[in-house]
Amino acid sequence: GAVVSQHPSWVICKSGTSVKIECRSLDFQATTMFWYRQFPKQSLMLMATSNEGSKATYEQGVEKDKFLINHASLTLSTLTVTSAHPEDSSFYICSARDSGGAGHQPQHFGDGTRLSIL
Amino acid sequence: DAKTTQPPSMDCAEGRAANLPCNHSTISGNEYVYWYRQIHSQGPQYIIHGLKNNETNEMASLIITEDRKSSTLILPHATLRDTAVYYCIGDDNYGQNFVFGPGTRLSVLP
Repeated sequence: GAVVSQHPSWVICKSGTSVKIECRSLDFQATTMFWYRQFPKQSLMLMATSNEGSKATYEQGVEKDKFLINHASLTLSTLTVTSAHPEDSSFYICSARDSGGAGHQPQHFGDGTRLSIL
Repeated sequence: DAKTTQPPSMDCAEGRAANLPCNHSTISGNEYVYWYRQIHSQGPQYIIHGLKNNETNEMASLIITEDRKSSTLILPHATLRDTAVYYCIGDDNYGQNFVFGPGTRLSVLP
């Protein structure tokens, strides 16, 4: 089945540093990938839509200069949390659909990245 | 806002069928009903999806009412590993409407 790999799975860093999270579709191509954030005991919230070869589309209230998204190939999207602060600590999850698949394709999710800012 | 409503929690005895309901009376005609589950500290796992007809795969069955206002996810023989939060989502395949509600926390009890 379709697999989405996310790396790293866990990161702890100091306040003020930038953190890059990678999302890869391992056995399919995805022109669009999605980034979500999940705080403890809450549901997933869509942050942005990553579009291959063009700018990402951000949801209302999500700072595009804070959360940089790059989708340079059909199998890789990256999310960089710039100048991270403790309030950015969260569980970040990406998802992707098979762009070349027939019919109505489900989104497949990565296993998430738990980001802790000290 | 999510277009679906689900009970916040349910219990099910191990080995019995787990029937998880979802109300989606406001989804449009071209929106599929998707079911995912999330086990603690993992990403959501795809279970099944459908438009109008009932669907079955190796994980579960999906029963959609004829008027498409509600559906039921059936796990035929629940195991302890099926304990998770289950999400019912309406989606038109573009992801823009992929809104996660609070879901149903299913606890499978020994």
